[in-house]
Amino acid sequence: GENVEQHPSTLSVQEGDSAVIKCTYSDSASNYFPWYKQELGKGPQLIIDIRSNVGEKKDQRIAVTLNKTAKHFSLHITETQPEDSAVYFCAASIPGNQFYFGTGTSLTVIP
Amino acid sequence: KAGVTQTPRYLIKTRGQQVTLSCSPISGHRSVSWYQQTPGQGLQFLFEYFSETQRNKGNFPGRFSGRQFSNSRSEMNVSTLELGDSALYLCASSLAASGGGDTQYFGPGTRLTVL
Repeated sequence: GENVEQHPSTLSVQEGDSAVIKCTYSDSASNYFPWYKQELGKGPQLIIDIRSNVGEKKDQRIAVTLNKTAKHFSLHITETQPEDSAVYFCAASIPGNQFYFGTGTSLTVIP
Repeated sequence: KAGVTQTPRYLIKTRGQQVTLSCSPISGHRSVSWYQQTPGQGLQFLFEYFSETQRNKGNFPGRFSGRQFSNSRSEMNVSTLELGDSALYLCASSLAASGGGDTQYFGPGTRLTVL
């Protein structure tokens, strides 16, 4: 099956700086890559996603890039704010199969 | 539009007991997936139901089972509870079966504590 690796596991940045989280996947058949944000005591919330026919997608301060050749995708958060502090998960989906999740990145934005 | 709802939100059980958790998907969604989340293991896939049929299953023992009703609501059951079953159980729904490029939306989870 698919294997999704996520790095780093923890990340601390100063408020206003950028944060980058990277994920790699193993199965070239994966074609859908969502990112989720999970705050304490809540379920994961979708923040952005990208499909395999697109190389980059942006939504305000959040962007995701996909490199199909290298089988990796990244989440970029610019101008970080304290409310961005949370655990972020990447995932990959293979047609006809389940979602495979990374192990999560705990992001702390220091005011 | 109401989101995914899960009941109960918190549950305390003792070893050997059994438990049933419930998930109501977003209206119109026909796929429900269940995940176990623990600090050390992240999100572990349990199973997925689509149109009342189990479509995919993760690597969990047979003590973990589920079902889906005609209104797409789903339940999961864990029998003979063990201490290691303590976790946050998350339910996610999507319009179509997973793997079709549909987004999954998560509920708030049920926090199960086994004593």
